[in-house]
Amino acid sequence: DADVTQTPRNRITKTGKRIMLECSQTKGHDRMYWYRQDPGLGLRLIYYSFDVKDINKGEISDGYSVSRQAQAKFSLSLESAIPNQTALYFCATSDRKPQGNEQFFGPGTRLTVL
Amino acid sequence: RKEVEQDPGPFNVPEGATVAFNCTYSNSASQSFFWYRQDCRKEPKLLMSVYSSGNEDGRFTAQLNRASQYISLLIRDSKLSDSATYLCVVIPRMDSSYKLIFGSGTRLLVRP
Repeated sequence: DADVTQTPRNRITKTGKRIMLECSQTKGHDRMYWYRQDPGLGLRLIYYSFDVKDINKGEISDGYSVSRQAQAKFSLSLESAIPNQTALYFCATSDRKPQGNEQFFGPGTRLTVL
Repeated sequence: RKEVEQDPGPFNVPEGATVAFNCTYSNSASQSFFWYRQDCRKEPKLLMSVYSSGNEDGRFTAQLNRASQYISLLIRDSKLSDSATYLCVVIPRMDSSYKLIFGSGTRLLVRP
């Protein structure tokens, strides 16, 4: 079974709709992240959480919100989706280690906003 | 200027070839460096870390040049299965070990 899972894997929605992307992990990691990937831009950090009570904005948090429901669950919401939020979204986890810790990614959610 | 820059490619090479990618980074205080591999429509996965002294893992060799602010990945004896996008990743500061800065990737195509 995959250590980091994301649901849904694909979603098509319309402008203005509220969307929630969910991430679960069985790795026992404290840290979780949400990224988006766009062609030619690489992965960009949206939000990150070091534990259930610690949530931080990343590079591109505008238009997004998150909830860390438990150590193993971290969800990303688009309150009112817009077409430029069409992207591939990845959740990732990492252990609480000194510098250089590896991040483990989920399989991604492909979101299309029409 | 982007913090991490890569040639997008694609690099199209025959099986058995040796191919090298470079990646430049803008922050001279950057602390840690990695190569991740991403297959088409899949998640990125760590390929190898890049140490100051350079490191080798089988057919893959990674090197760091701090003076010129670039890292490199050399793949020897390319296999069809090496076809993927290779992401250069930099951690800019010691107090931000969570913060990975990703390059946009270099695409490699290995042909029979």
